[in-house]
Amino acid sequence: EVVMTQSPATLSVSPGERATLSCRASQSVSTNLAWYQQKPGQAPRLLIYGASTRATDIPARFSGSGSGTEFTLTISSLQSEDFALYYCQQYNNWPPWTFGQGTRVDIK
Amino acid sequence: EVQLVESGGGLVQPGRSLRLSCTASGFTFGDYAVSWVRQAPGKGLEWVSFIRSKRYTGTTDYAASVQGRFSVSRDDSKSIAYLQMNSLKTEDTAVYYCTRARRVTSGGISYYFDFWGQGTLVTVSS
Repeated sequence: EVVMTQSPATLSVSPGERATLSCRASQSVSTNLAWYQQKPGQAPRLLIYGASTRATDIPARFSGSGSGTEFTLTISSLQSEDFALYYCQQYNNWPPWTFGQGTRVDIK
Repeated sequence: EVQLVESGGGLVQPGRSLRLSCTASGFTFGDYAVSWVRQAPGKGLEWVSFIRSKRYTGTTDYAASVQGRFSVSRDDSKSIAYLQMNSLKTEDTAVYYCTRARRVTSGGISYYFDFWGQGTLVTVSS
């Protein structure tokens, strides 16, 4: 089973600033890596797949990068609606599909 | 518009059974795999089960934590996927999400979850 580790657990950022979230896989997952956003009381929403491809209707301020075992989600200029939980997930070695434990982005 | 609507959750005693449904609309349900993912209260996301489209065998996979107790099926004529949960345990308490799984073939076959339902809460308690 591929273990996904996200850091930091919590990221405090001011509106308009850049946020950088990290995700590490215990073994290579190529670029089969997705990022999801989850707001309180809501279902997760796909942001990024293929490590760097934005899903439909996702704003350009969200970008993903990386391959192999190291991945990054960058939010270039945080908007109020971006304060949420973010999960990475690998879909290279399955089953099982595995998720990171999440990074909470909150207001500084 | 793609929509997935889960139903069937509720309060159930340990050892009992429950069947969840996932009703899809806005796309050709039979062309897609479906996966169930759960989230225990205040916890992260855990993959539970997966069923391929019939075009790609319709076979299933399960997390080790539910293997032998849960069973996933689909009725493409009704655009519904089911999760039959037997011998429920208190640790199965969670919101259960149905997801559409999109097949990709770059460097091998894989699936990511592109649309999620709003979830249904299952509480296992005496």
